[in-house]
Amino acid sequence: DTEVTQTPKHLVMGMTNKKSLKCEQHMGHRAMYWYKQKAKKPPELMFVYSYEKLSINESVPSRFSPECPNSSLLNLHLHALQPEDSALYLCASSHLGQGLGETQYFGPGTRLLVL
Amino acid sequence: AQTVTQSQPEMSVQEAETVTLSCTYDTSESDYYLFWYKQPPSRQMILVIRQEAYKQQNATENRFSVNFQKAAKSFSLKISDSQLGDAAMYFCAYRRGYSTLTFGKGTMLLVSP
Repeated sequence: DTEVTQTPKHLVMGMTNKKSLKCEQHMGHRAMYWYKQKAKKPPELMFVYSYEKLSINESVPSRFSPECPNSSLLNLHLHALQPEDSALYLCASSHLGQGLGETQYFGPGTRLLVL
Repeated sequence: AQTVTQSQPEMSVQEAETVTLSCTYDTSESDYYLFWYKQPPSRQMILVIRQEAYKQQNATENRFSVNFQKAAKSFSLKISDSQLGDAAMYFCAYRRGYSTLTFGKGTMLLVSP
């Protein structure tokens, strides 16, 4: 099973709203990732969690707040977003450690529209 | 820093034909992984094929195969017997160890009947 699930599939929010994106995997992966993707562009890395600890923050604005409650779950809390934050938000997961594939598996994404 | 270059923004192929997508990368490392991901219009990023740099043998997955030229830092994807369902954006990506995944800009593949 190589499934990463994400909810919701679509989200429309105003600039004053607070919302959360959720990601879940049950593959025993100990690394989880958030990416932002604009149309016809490659994904841009936002955050990396390794063993439930934030290991990489790619200088993402504080209106995006990640959280990893346990090894299977990853959340992205959104507050006071701007219209330019409208994008597809992808979650991914992978094993950690050489020889374990290094392959990242992606979820279907949440399409976010900020009005 | 590693870079990945996909020089073909768009490619077209007819059903049942073969198409090759190009990818070059720049790295000073000797041990790394290369990937091709497919992202159809439904937007789910799917792993197509994976290559370990220490393996000389080219990876193959059914109709998908790669031509990995380590010295030339080239990693092309060949799709044989193309199908309508192969239409998608294809991303080439590089990763070394615990480092982050570096993507190319992508190649949009169009498949016509």
